Amino acid sequence: DTGVSQDPRHKITKRGQNVTFRCDPISEHNRLYWYRQTLGQGPEFLTYFQNEAQLEKSRLLSDRFSAERPKGSFSTLEIQRTEQGDSAMYLCASSLDTALGGYTFGSGTRLTVV
Amino acid sequence: GENVEQHPSTLSVQEGDSAVIKCTYSDSASNYFPWYKQELGKRPQLIIDIRSNVGEKKDQRIAVTLNKTAKHFSLHITETQPEDSAVYFCAASMNTGFQKLVFGTGTRLLVSP
Repeated sequence: DTGVSQDPRHKITKRGQNVTFRCDPISEHNRLYWYRQTLGQGPEFLTYFQNEAQLEKSRLLSDRFSAERPKGSFSTLEIQRTEQGDSAMYLCASSLDTALGGYTFGSGTRLTVV
Repeated sequence: GENVEQHPSTLSVQEGDSAVIKCTYSDSASNYFPWYKQELGKRPQLIIDIRSNVGEKKDQRIAVTLNKTAKHFSLHITETQPEDSAVYFCAASMNTGFQKLVFGTGTRLLVSP
């Protein structure tokens, strides 16, 4: 296990289609985060899981977005009825639940909605 | 909520010079301040972090300083090298049971040989 893995690396989809991304965190990390990064901006928080429980969701996560982490290991992020404004890099990160510590980010999934 | 401002947005230096990137945060409850380096097309990588009970931290050519009173923190890179060229992001977080990082808008550092 060399880090956080995300799949696919790139996704081009037509507006209105549904897409799903996968994140495999570092195996011993029980915290998992999703962030979104648009060009020229820093990552923005979307949602957070502690094991399989989704404990916080950003207002950025509209009803079209859903995230799961069914067994407390990998996570999926689904976007329904994609819009052009959804085009971004979707980053997954994981960490231990010890007091304070840095995230380890994955390489991200770049979504382009055409 | 927390807001993090970062300056400058771009920074060009000659190899061997020092580079300083500054960030301010709005929420005095923030207690963890990491810095990430992101090369083109790659993941953000944690390069250094500081906690609110510490004023300064160094790791080889990189240092971070924190002024809690003024609510600002800075990244200092000495003896810059071309491989330091990247986008650097600061972030701030409160420990409210988990680490929700609020990022700055990034600084593009270009180190010319």
